Amino acid sequence: GAGVSQSPSNKVTEKGKDVELRCDPISGHTALYWYRQRLGQGLEFLIYFQGNSAPDKSGLPSDRFSAERTGESVSTLTIQRTQQEDSAVYLCASSLGVAGPYEQYFGPGTRLTVT
Amino acid sequence: TQLLEQSPQFLSIQEGENLTVYCNSSSVFSSLQWYRQEPGEGPVLLVTVVTGGEVKKLKRLTFQFGDARKDSSLHITAAQPGDTGLYLCAGGRRVFGNEKLTFGTGTRLTIIP
Repeated sequence: GAGVSQSPSNKVTEKGKDVELRCDPISGHTALYWYRQRLGQGLEFLIYFQGNSAPDKSGLPSDRFSAERTGESVSTLTIQRTQQEDSAVYLCASSLGVAGPYEQYFGPGTRLTVT
Repeated sequence: TQLLEQSPQFLSIQEGENLTVYCNSSSVFSSLQWYRQEPGEGPVLLVTVVTGGEVKKLKRLTFQFGDARKDSSLHITAAQPGDTGLYLCAGGRRVFGNEKLTFGTGTRLTIIP
């Protein structure tokens, strides 16, 4: 079946502009996660959704970052007034549920470059 | 912040050699996962271990969870070029009813044919 998809695959934006990143999880996966990965480094947790609710937003770096999920499906991560330090690959993952440990299935990521 | 330090950060070895990658923390985790990531793709799960002292083998890969559930190792026997990639460990802890993962710093492995 279809895996996790993300769009766009690449995004170049000017400093100060807003960007929206999209994630389509695997159908039926109730949990959805957003991570940030700086060049050559590990993954930094941003936010997690259970259904359409986000019980854990602890990883969002600042109030410029927000995310929503609708229909227990698609999620968007919005970064307002982008800064150069926001440049990274943004990865989305989904999993079957919450009890865990469940395998997280990752999308290919969106590479964001802020100029 | 629960840090997971991986060592070495970079490793380049000849095909056929053996290697071990380490994942260490001062925190206790309820589970430990290892992922491999190739360029331009998301990480893919290799294994999950949940019991202190647990050892799992996946063909040429052997994974061990430390007795105290604070550390783990990945051993590869007779490395092949297809093993090249970024290896990430991830420790799981229950937060808000969810098994939240904290990812390690990563080990970039290159196998030279």
